Amino acid sequence: GESVGLHLPTLSVQEGDNSIINCAYSNSASDYFIWYKQESGKGPQFIIDIRSNMDKRQGQRVTVLLNKTVKHLSLQIAATQPGDSAVYFCAENGVGGGGKLIFGQGTELSVKP
Amino acid sequence: NAGVTQTPKFQVLKTGQSMTLQCAQDMNHEYMSWYRQDPGMGLRLIHYSVGAGITDQGEVPNGYNVSRSTTEDFPLRLLSAAPSQTSVYFCASSYSNRGNTEAFFGQGTRLTVV
Repeated sequence: GESVGLHLPTLSVQEGDNSIINCAYSNSASDYFIWYKQESGKGPQFIIDIRSNMDKRQGQRVTVLLNKTVKHLSLQIAATQPGDSAVYFCAENGVGGGGKLIFGQGTELSVKP
Repeated sequence: NAGVTQTPKFQVLKTGQSMTLQCAQDMNHEYMSWYRQDPGMGLRLIHYSVGAGITDQGEVPNGYNVSRSTTEDFPLRLLSAAPSQTSVYFCASSYSNRGNTEAFFGQGTRLTVV
């Protein structure tokens, strides 16, 4: 069945280091993927997205990589800052479209000063 | 634009009570959806709507009803609250109903059923 999973539930990094958050997906028909950031007590906030016709997309301090061969997605955060501390979710559009998003469990990123 | 607005932010219900969680968006988005988030888990889709007058079930629809009479509003109704419905509820909207654009989320409603 469809599932989006994350390899690590928690990630602790030193301020200034780069962070890499991984995500595996099982639905090879998914063609759109999103990374969200969720701070405590708030709703998920869009970070970056990528379509299946791309392998890499860069934003401000963030890069998403998509490997369709192994159905793997990653989010790279450069020069991680304390404000990056949050839970990060990957999501894929569900079978049949309709705007449905399937979310992974989330990775909690903790940035040590 | 206010984006996606959810009310109330917090609610405590007794088992068997009913209530409606409100959601409104001012971005003229066609697609709206409701998710629930339980501790240590991702968001699970309850119901969604691809436009006014059209709704469908998501992954966990039991115990919840929705309607979409206008583009702006998408209320979620709990007919008879149960402790298993204790959760944080998020409403979201998207420009596209084809699942290829980002979803904008509200701030959430924290519901406790005792």
